[in-house]
Amino acid sequence: QSALTQPRSVSGSPGQSVTISCTGTSSDVGGYNYVSWYQQLPGKAPKLIIYDVSKRPSGVPDRFSGSKSGNTASLTISGLQADDEADYYCCSYSGSHPNWMFGGGTKLTVL
Amino acid sequence: EVQLVESGGGLVQPGGSLRLSCAASGFTFSNFWMHWVRQAPGRGLVWVSRVNSDESSKDHTTYADSVKGRFTISRDNAKNMVFLQMNSLRAEDTAVYYCATGTGYEYDYWGQGTLVTVSS
Repeated sequence: QSALTQPRSVSGSPGQSVTISCTGTSSDVGGYNYVSWYQQLPGKAPKLIIYDVSKRPSGVPDRFSGSKSGNTASLTISGLQADDEADYYCCSYSGSHPNWMFGGGTKLTVL
Repeated sequence: EVQLVESGGGLVQPGGSLRLSCAASGFTFSNFWMHWVRQAPGRGLVWVSRVNSDESSKDHTTYADSVKGRFTISRDNAKNMVFLQMNSLRAEDTAVYYCATGTGYEYDYWGQGTLVTVSS
């Protein structure tokens, strides 16, 4: 089963908003509200920033928001800051094997 | 404070074996599913395996197709440890291996990772 589909890269200027998409199928993204998003800085472990499609863990700024429509989930980062520059990964629970699937990752560049 | 600390990585020849360990603290380990996720150099995250909180339950372990039959996940709830026994290692298994867990279907907590290099 293929990974979830994310754009390889996105970019934006400080203060702007960017949206990263994550496309799956009705067996994963579309079938469950268990989409999560992770931020990974170079050489570091991933950090959870969104879970259950749109919930934010404590301590994550409200500039980060998540949504879902059909088989596509989205992460929006508003008010871009330089330290948002990182790789972002989506992940979804799936009702079929393998039960957890990651997207290929999106590199965010803050111009 | 929740901590996950992996160990056991290193350089191994193709066809060899390695056992990874992950020591957990700061939460009720026996209540949580535990996962291994890997990341090949310069590549994305890939789910590898999961073990349920209760090892006596049916289908308490599951594996990605790429490692099924070669890797075995296990846990010791008395020692708050999870393990990944990796046999018949291939070059494509080269990666940083993370143990991870969460309260739901997400990964709230990650270790720092341990690097496995399969090369002759």
